[in-house]
Parts: sequence; C-alpha cells; structure tokens
Amino acid sequence: AQSVAQPEDQVNVAEGNPLTVKCTYSVSGNPYLFWYVQYPNRGLQFLLKYITGDNLVKGSYGFEAEFNKSQTSFHLKKPSALVSDSALYFCAVRGTWNRDDKIIFGKGTRLHILP
Amino acid sequence: GAVVSQHPSWVICKSGTSVKIECRSLDFQATTMFWYRQFPKQSLMLMATSNEGSKATYEQGVEKDKFLINHASLTLSTLTVTSAHPEDSSFYICSARGNRGAIYGYTFGSGTRLTVV
Repeated sequence: AQSVAQPEDQVNVAEGNPLTVKCTYSVSGNPYLFWYVQYPNRGLQFLLKYITGDNLVKGSYGFEAEFNKSQTSFHLKKPSALVSDSALYFCAVRGTWNRDDKIIFGKGTRLHILP
Repeated sequence: GAVVSQHPSWVICKSGTSVKIECRSLDFQATTMFWYRQFPKQSLMLMATSNEGSKATYEQGVEKDKFLINHASLTLSTLTVTSAHPEDSSFYICSARGNRGAIYGYTFGSGTRLTVV
C-alpha cells in the first residue's frame, strides 16, 4: 500500500530564510510525487510534481523539491521565505499503475513565516 | 491550464435534507474524478473515485448510500450527501484527472464547506 509521511505538523521560519518542508513516501514501483498548497477555506493549488528525470524539480512561486530515491524523500524547499508563503502544504504520492490512479496525501504541514 | 469548477463554495442545510455538490472540468475532459473530505486541521481523506460512465469506487468505511456520486459526463461529477446530519459537516473537495494520463497532474476544485444544522 502507498503512504506519505509529513513528520512535522508545523514549521516556523523567519522571512528571508530558507525553508524546508519534509516528506517521505512508500509505494510499490516508481512514484509520482506532488506538492500542493492550501489557503484557508480554499481548494488545493498545485506547486510541483516529480514524474521522472531530474531529481530537482522546480515549481510555482519559487518552490522546488528534491527527489531522493534512496531515502524515499521528496522535501519541499525555497531559498528565501515570504510571509505570503504561510499556508498548509500537502505532499502526495501515486505509486504503481492501478486502475483508479488515486493519489494519497500526507497529513499536511502548516508553514508559518514570521515577519 | 486545466481548471475545475466546484460549487457551491459553501452551503448550510437542515438535518435530514440532501445536498448536491457539482464538480466541472472547464477546459478538459475528466475521465476520472476523485472526491475528498477534509476535517478541520486534517488531511484530505479520499472518499471515492469515479470514472465516466461507470459506478464509483468507494474507499473503505465510506457509505455509498449516503454519499452518492454520479459521473455521467466527461466534464461533470456530482456528490450528493443524502439525509445529511451534523456529523457530515465538513469541507469537500473534488479533483479531476484528464485523459492525457496521470503525469499531467490532478486539478482540484476550490472546495465546498458544508454545514448541517
């Protein structure tokens, strides 16, 4: 069975500092990995995905994530945090090709950027 | 880019009534749609997966008679919460995947806040 772990419920970072939001996964076969952001009472906005190719994936709003197969991780990063980055971040994974293509979400990490 | 429209964005209903939530893919054909439920400060819980023209596949523990899903066309899926009760109050989000494959991602609707009083 596939699963996603986001070990931190909350991450606090000072504005201008680099940020990292951690994600590890477990799937059968090769993973498709995603990061989404959610603002209060809103749906999910896509940030980036890893399907194949370069391990470093660049996405929206200056975010990037690094796929590490040996550590089964896909941590989200940004070199310089903005207050507007404060939101709830979800890592998601889809594993082996199955008929319904469903993706499974981590429990989310709340990111607080301190001015 | 791909856009999914979900409405209503919020709804308040009386206990015992039914509520329908619509999810439309505006500029692509959604061969598969997913319905999620999100409790406050928690993650998204997948409720069911629907493929156009076939019955939805429900996740374990989700009552299919209570949460009716219809995916009659390639651009529309509906979730009907039947005989709603206060414990059904939640944030419901749909997601659509196009016919170009999962590698092109999953697009989410903006969500529906359901409050049952």
